[in-house]
Amino acid sequence: NAGVTQTPKFQVLKTGQSMTLQCAQDMNHEYMSWYRQDPGMGLRLIHYSVGAGITDQGEVPNGYNVSRSTTEDFPLRLLSAAPSQTSVYFCASSYLTGNEKLFFGSGTQLSVL
Amino acid sequence: GENVEQHPSTLSVQEGDSAVIKCTYSDSASNYFPWYKQELGKRPQLIIDIRSNVGEKKDQRIAVTLNKTAKHFSLHITETQPEDSAVYFCAATSFFGNEKLTFGTGTRLTIIP
Repeated sequence: NAGVTQTPKFQVLKTGQSMTLQCAQDMNHEYMSWYRQDPGMGLRLIHYSVGAGITDQGEVPNGYNVSRSTTEDFPLRLLSAAPSQTSVYFCASSYLTGNEKLFFGSGTQLSVL
Repeated sequence: GENVEQHPSTLSVQEGDSAVIKCTYSDSASNYFPWYKQELGKRPQLIIDIRSNVGEKKDQRIAVTLNKTAKHFSLHITETQPEDSAVYFCAATSFFGNEKLTFGTGTRLTIIP
């Protein structure tokens, strides 16, 4: 098993550009989520999904969209990148719920200029 | 929503001594409390978790205690070793109906040889 795979590892955007961060898991996990990590602020939940076709907002959803068309994939879309979205993004999954062990991807370092 | 506060933000201990990291939470309905370790440049990984039906859990040199009345929980690392140097995050969520895991802001633990 590859676990949770995130691409790309690094990305530089200009303000106003859009892009999609990819996340895929091969563990047949129902729960998937996106976090951003900023210095001194810990990990903050952006969006999450409890199964295919179901998504919900987390703590900091503004400026981001998600969809869950398959169990395996949970892409995160930045609609119009802003410097405030410069961060490290982690995708995470767990078997059923958000209340059990999360398996994290390796992260995406995003810089918005 | 849930609010998790974590202290201290940085902690340095001599190798072989014990380290204690404390977290408080605000939502009395929370009943799942995991701890994640993140080594430099790596992804967070679960090291131990506790549910509200127990007051303490141990795994070798690591233990977590929970005080539901006071709404705080702590991570204890005994006989610290250089490989314990990392950032540690506490988190909390409700087991029922709430899939939003809220993280603390992290503690950077440095083990001094």
